[in-house]
Amino acid sequence: QLQLQESGSGLVKPSQTLSLTCAVSGGSLSTGAYSWSWIRQTPGRGLEWIGYIYHTGSTYYSPSLESRVTISIDRSKNQFSLNLTSVTAADTAVYYCVRGGTAPTYFDFWGQGTLVTVSS
Amino acid sequence: DIQMTQSPSTLSASVGDRVTITCRASQSISSWLAWYQQKPGKAPKLLIYKASNLHSGVPSRFSGSGSGTEFTLTISSLQPDDFATYYCQQYSNYYTFGQGTKLDIK
Repeated sequence: QLQLQESGSGLVKPSQTLSLTCAVSGGSLSTGAYSWSWIRQTPGRGLEWIGYIYHTGSTYYSPSLESRVTISIDRSKNQFSLNLTSVTAADTAVYYCVRGGTAPTYFDFWGQGTLVTVSS
Repeated sequence: DIQMTQSPSTLSASVGDRVTITCRASQSISSWLAWYQQKPGKAPKLLIYKASNLHSGVPSRFSGSGSGTEFTLTISSLQPDDFATYYCQQYSNYYTFGQGTKLDIK
């Protein structure tokens, strides 16, 4: 059974970089049929897709976040990561790592989510 | 950006009721629409993809319909486990979600 588990700092200072990792078990990131996304959720803005990566390393980002986002993949560890730079309080959210298909795609497996708070 | 608007925002219903949630897209998305269910403190779960296809393991009381700009999610006979928040999501042009419909007990 596929499982996705987010980890990383739960508290980030404004202007710093938010870093999260998603460990994948029960399946391989190297399978070509899937994309690996980060999606966040806030009470005010709801669910927001951040971007995804394929096993090849190709990435696609939300235009509204593209200038601050990097998603990377580590096939040897079967995990992928999110870096979001220059964070503000508006980046406070629950962050989910999520599996989808090849584009265009819906999202069929979600991690449990991790709360990241941006505060000094 | 394609905007997704759900109605109603909140829906009160009873066990056994038939309920319908509507999702409208700001421009045509063909059938590139998914529906999710989310319970408090949990991640969303996929219910339906490509507007009307039931995801594996989802009960048949859930159904979806529509194309273009107007879509519906119907639960034919509400069960206690169905009280949750429901989201639509378009995947025609990037990915955007509706604001959610909270289904609570009347």
